[in-house]
Amino acid sequence: EAGVAQSPRYKIIEKRQSVAFWCNPISGHATLYWYQQILGQGPKLLIQFQNNGVVDDSQLPKDRFSAERLKGVDSTLKIQPAKLEDSAVYLCASSLTQGETQYFGPGTRLLVL
Amino acid sequence: AQSVTQPDIHITVSEGASLELRCNYSYGATPYLFWYVQSPGQGLQLLLKYFSGDTLVQGIKGFEAEFKRSQSSFNLRKPSVHWSDAAEYFCAVGASNFGNEKLTFGTGTRLTIIP
Repeated sequence: EAGVAQSPRYKIIEKRQSVAFWCNPISGHATLYWYQQILGQGPKLLIQFQNNGVVDDSQLPKDRFSAERLKGVDSTLKIQPAKLEDSAVYLCASSLTQGETQYFGPGTRLLVL
Repeated sequence: AQSVTQPDIHITVSEGASLELRCNYSYGATPYLFWYVQSPGQGLQLLLKYFSGDTLVQGIKGFEAEFKRSQSSFNLRKPSVHWSDAAEYFCAVGASNFGNEKLTFGTGTRLTIIP
C-alpha cells in the first residue's frame, strides 16, 4: 500500500514570495491533516479535512495560509506571502476517517530567506 | 486545553542498553496517548497508542509504554536499543470523542546511540 506522498520535498524562497505544497493521501482515506513543524518543536496542526470539507482550521494563519481539498483526495497548502517564521517542515497526514490512526508523509522542508 | 511535556531534549544511550523516554501530559478527561518516531528526513511513524484497557501497551520495533494516570505519564521503554533506533521521538495526546483528532505533540526527544 502506497503511503502519503508529498511534493516538493524541499523548497527555498525569499520572503514575500508565494509557495504551494501538494499532498496525496493514502487511497481511500477520508481525513487529511496539514501540520507545521518548526525546528526543535513538535508538529502543530494547521488544518483538518474530512473529505472535501474543513473540520478544523483554528490554528491556520488565514491571512497568509490557505488550503483546499476540492475533490476530497489531493490537497494543496499555500502560503502567500511567506515570512521568515514560516520556515518549517510541513507534514501531511491521512487517516481512514476521523478517529483512526494518522499516517504521515515525509514532509516538505521550507526555508524562507 | 491539552499539553504534552517531554522533559529530555536529548538522550544518549549505548547500544544494547535499556531506554526510557519520559512523557507527561495534561488533559482534563481520559487521554488518548501516542508515541511517534521520526527518522531524519522522514515523516512520523506510529510506534504505539493507548486508548483504554491494559495500561501497558506494546508497540512495533520492541517498544512498550505504560500509562500511569496518577502520574499523568506515558513513558516509552525498550529493553535493548539498536543503532537503528537513533531518531526523534514524539509523545502526543489526542482529544475529542474520536481520540485521534487534534493531536498535541510534545517537543520531542532526540535519541543518540553510541557503540
